[in-house]
Amino acid sequence: AQSVTQLGSHVSVSEGALVLLRCNYSSSVPPYLFWYVQYPNQGLQLLLKYTTGATLVKGINGFEAEFKKSETSFHLTKPSAHMSDAAEYFCAVSGGQNAGNMLTFGGGTRLMVKP
Amino acid sequence: GAVVSQHPSWVICKSGTSVKIECRSLDFQATTMFWYRQFPKQSLMLMATSNEGSKATYEQGVEKDKFLINHASLTLSTLTVTSAHPEDSSFYICSAREAGTPEQYFGPGTRLTVT
Repeated sequence: AQSVTQLGSHVSVSEGALVLLRCNYSSSVPPYLFWYVQYPNQGLQLLLKYTTGATLVKGINGFEAEFKKSETSFHLTKPSAHMSDAAEYFCAVSGGQNAGNMLTFGGGTRLMVKP
Repeated sequence: GAVVSQHPSWVICKSGTSVKIECRSLDFQATTMFWYRQFPKQSLMLMATSNEGSKATYEQGVEKDKFLINHASLTLSTLTVTSAHPEDSSFYICSAREAGTPEQYFGPGTRLTVT
């Protein structure tokens, strides 16, 4: 069984400020972890993923996330927010190859960027 | 690469009619496709998983006779909402996964409105 908790359904930052979106997971097997972004009335776009290896992963649009097993976390960060980053962000976990790669999503965090 | 399309992007139908939604992987072979439902301001809820050439596996609480899924080829899966009712109005999103890879690529979604 696996689950994802995203702390903060809404996060507001000023343009140029640090973006930090929190994600904690639980999984009975070594997890694969993902961050997706969704713009209004669109599907989800993969930002980055962690499967194995380096725990700090870099994605598109300047985002990165760090897998911390001891904290069961996979927080998403970006050093400097842009207006175009305003969107809904979803953290997801899968149980790896043994779980058919089914994704379990967190509740989502809406990022708002103030000018 | 890894583009998934959905058709139609939006559809309005009358109560009691059936609607078919297509999901295509444009530049890769999707051995597994997933169908999700998303209510406004909520996360994605997995409805079913389909593997090419076999019957779909439905999540608990999803009526398989109402939501017919066909995955006839490695690039096409269809979701048919039969005898649609207003409560079936929602945003339906498909995703596709290539064999041997962990990530899912999402289509742009289909907005279904049943009047």
